[in-house]
Amino acid sequence: EAGVTQSPTHLIKTRGQQATLRCSPISGHTSVYWYQQALGLGLQFLLWYDEGEERNRGNFPPRFSGRQFPNYSSELNVNALELEDSALYLCASSLEGTGEYGYTFGSGTRLTVV
Amino acid sequence: LAKTTQPISMDSYEGQEVNITCSHNNIATNDYITWYQQFPSQGPRFIIQGYKTKVTNEVASLFIPADRKSSTLSLPRVSLSDTAVYYCLVGKGDDKIIFGKGTRLHILP
Repeated sequence: EAGVTQSPTHLIKTRGQQATLRCSPISGHTSVYWYQQALGLGLQFLLWYDEGEERNRGNFPPRFSGRQFPNYSSELNVNALELEDSALYLCASSLEGTGEYGYTFGSGTRLTVV
Repeated sequence: LAKTTQPISMDSYEGQEVNITCSHNNIATNDYITWYQQFPSQGPRFIIQGYKTKVTNEVASLFIPADRKSSTLSLPRVSLSDTAVYYCLVGKGDDKIIFGKGTRLHILP
């Protein structure tokens, strides 16, 4: 069974540009979560999608947005990139948002803003 | 979502048993306790999950006292490859998942 897949693995953008990150959950999982992890720091919750709807959002500015498609894959968009947006962006999926059986994470997208 | 408190870091030696305790005083009745392991530049990996008493799988054990206000992850006979950050999470998943700072475990030869 394929795990959570994220693309691209690495992304380099210049300040002010837009970045689009993609995530495919485990087959059968309907919930997708996005996290930001700056180098050497903890995971900061960004967004939670379930059944195509945004269920919750972390303390991030509106230029961080996303969506979930009918096939449950998800996209994270970061507009007007700033240098401090450089981080590892992690996606996780779970069954129906219960988390009862844990969340499965992808390997992440390393975004570098120069 | 219940807040968790863990030691910031721990050192141990190869072959030893390591116990990492997590405090979660305001755990709710239907919250689960889940532990994750994270290596640098990788996503966290699910280790074990429990609700009460003791849970054991092929890599770890999770001890949960009757009041459920804390839990202890036990790693038997650790090796150098167990050097990682370990996170304790408490919740039932219908809310945003909040990761604490985790415990940096350093295994020495």
